[in-house]
Amino acid sequence: GESVGLHLPTLSVQEGDNSIINCAYSNSASDYFIWYKQESGKGPQFIIDIRSNMDKRQGQRVTVLLNKTVKHLSLQIAATQPGDSAVYFCAENINGNSGAGSYQLTFGKGTKLSVIP
Amino acid sequence: NAGVTQTPKFQVLKTGQSMTLQCAQDMNHNSMYWYRQDPGMGLRLIYYSASEGTTDKGEVPNGYNVSRLNKREFSLRLESAAPSQTSVYFCASSAVQGASTDTQYFGPGTRLTVL
Repeated sequence: GESVGLHLPTLSVQEGDNSIINCAYSNSASDYFIWYKQESGKGPQFIIDIRSNMDKRQGQRVTVLLNKTVKHLSLQIAATQPGDSAVYFCAENINGNSGAGSYQLTFGKGTKLSVIP
Repeated sequence: NAGVTQTPKFQVLKTGQSMTLQCAQDMNHNSMYWYRQDPGMGLRLIYYSASEGTTDKGEVPNGYNVSRLNKREFSLRLESAAPSQTSVYFCASSAVQGASTDTQYFGPGTRLTVL
């Protein structure tokens, strides 16, 4: 079936630089997207989300961009810090008409972000 | 407010043994979920419970059963564990029943090894 994927499996950035993590999705029916951060040995932690009626959403040091034309999602982290080192997952949700489709998040495989001090 | 809690944190089973993974949330959320995470793969949904009293299969339900004990608790049972079920299991919850645009919050995970 259709799934969410990531362009780069690993990303190394210098501390203080900006990071950009990319995600491609193939289901045009997806209407909600979430970025999660997962540190080693921990569960995924919500970072930011965006609905399909938006192109951009900003949080604290993070920005998510959604390009529905090319089915592309990105997470930008400003002034990357060592504490940002983790695996980042994008996930999509499809607004189904029945129960199953409404609840299933489809996750990408993740991008590992390493911050170089 | 502990969020989503899971027990145990680690477990080793022999093939054929059974066990139950426990999950509880204190956020008064309606929906709860069980995922498994395998190396190099994203999280895959095993079962979910849209609301108290209901459960439904996800992407990979075979070999598992679930019970929504009450609004707070959602357990995952392996009746006869197999090595293919070695994985990290995550429980999650979300607030609103029936909302496709609703954030899921995850527990810390249970690391299960089946020998």
